[in-house]
Amino acid sequence: QVQLQESGPGLVKPSQTLSLTCTVSGDSISSGGYYWSWIRQHPGKGLEWIGYIYYSGSTYYSPSLKSRVSMSLDTSKNQFSLKLSSVTAADTAVYYCARDGQSKNYYVLDVWGQGTTVTVSS
Amino acid sequence: EIVLTQSPATLSLSPGERATLSCRASQSVSSYLAWYQQISGQAPRLLIYGASNRATGIPARFSGSGSGTDFTLTISSLEPEDFAVYYCQQRSNWPITFGQGTRLEIK
Repeated sequence: QVQLQESGPGLVKPSQTLSLTCTVSGDSISSGGYYWSWIRQHPGKGLEWIGYIYYSGSTYYSPSLKSRVSMSLDTSKNQFSLKLSSVTAADTAVYYCARDGQSKNYYVLDVWGQGTTVTVSS
Repeated sequence: EIVLTQSPATLSLSPGERATLSCRASQSVSSYLAWYQQISGQAPRLLIYGASNRATGIPARFSGSGSGTDFTLTISSLEPEDFAVYYCQQRSNWPITFGQGTRLEIK
């Protein structure tokens, strides 16, 4: 059974870069067919999709965050990562990694990590 | 970007009652609409995909319907564990977007 686990600093200073890693177990991120996504949830708010990285390394980022986001794969460690630069308090959120997999003809976020809370504060 | 509007924002019902949640898209998403359940403090869980397909392990009391711009999630008879926040999500156009959520609370 596939499991995802986020890791990274829980506290980041304003203007610095937020860096998170998602470790995948039970499947290979390079096996193909999946998009590996990041989603965040501001305190008490709804879900915001940040972007994905495909097993090939291609990426797509939400236009609202595109200028500050980068994602990468480390196939040797079966991990994918998120970097968000120039953070402010508005980036304080729970960050989830998720697998975007195919069911019938539909791609869905079918496996999620438990989420990690990141606070931006000096 | 496609905007998804969910209604009502909060729904107060009792166990055993039927729940009907709505999601409206700002433009057609065909059937590329999914529903997720989020219990407090937990990650979201996939319930419905392709507008009407139950995900693996999801009880039959959950059903989805609709296409184009109007979608419905129905819970036929509420169990205590169903009281949570529900989100719709579209994957018709990039970027992926979510509705703002409907909170289902115990009356």
